Amino acid sequence: SQTIHQWPATLVQPVGSPLSLECTVEGTSNPNLYWYRQAAGRGLQLLFYSVGIGQISSEVPQNLSASRPQDRQFILSSKKLLLSDSGFYLCAWSLGHGRQPQHFGDGTRLSIL
Amino acid sequence: TQLLEQSPQFLSIQEGENLTVYCNSSSVFSSLQWYRQEPGEGPVLLVTVVTGGEVKKLKRLTFQFGDARKDSSLHITAAQPGDTGLYLCADNSGGSNYKLTFGKGTLLTVNP
Repeated sequence: SQTIHQWPATLVQPVGSPLSLECTVEGTSNPNLYWYRQAAGRGLQLLFYSVGIGQISSEVPQNLSASRPQDRQFILSSKKLLLSDSGFYLCAWSLGHGRQPQHFGDGTRLSIL
Repeated sequence: TQLLEQSPQFLSIQEGENLTVYCNSSSVFSSLQWYRQEPGEGPVLLVTVVTGGEVKKLKRLTFQFGDARKDSSLHITAAQPGDTGLYLCADNSGGSNYKLTFGKGTLLTVNP
């Protein structure tokens, strides 16, 4: 069966520090991968998605970036965090087109001090 | 960009009550997915509806897709504390085959 792992579960970082969140998927090949941010337990904002290795689509201009160095690995990064980067970050995967369900990790709670 | 409106935003009820939450759009849905998210976890898919007028049941949950495919409802019968969570609807009509657009959700609290 397929599984998705996100880490760390919680992270507290000072303003201006770098960020690296990692997501890996097991049990499937060539998944679509997604990074979302969720503010205050509300709707999900799509940040990046990838349909293949090295292919990244950015949805919201900001100081975050994403990379997909391997088929089942998706990384969210920042060189300098802002206070507004605080939130709940979720990674997800799906197969095929948009009608297919997305499967989410358990998220990373990021707090910027 | 398609906007999905969910109502109500918040709902607090007692165990055993029935409830309905709604998801609406000014545009036609390609298909609609309903997710439930529990605190501190990622959303989990409940159901996908595709055909106008479609009704799907999942135990005490009944999902309905409007005939015109511009609205959907989720009805819960005899709510239980375990139903507590954020209910999100999502659609992939946003111009890409790979993306979902999510509503802001209905935060449901079922009190024992």
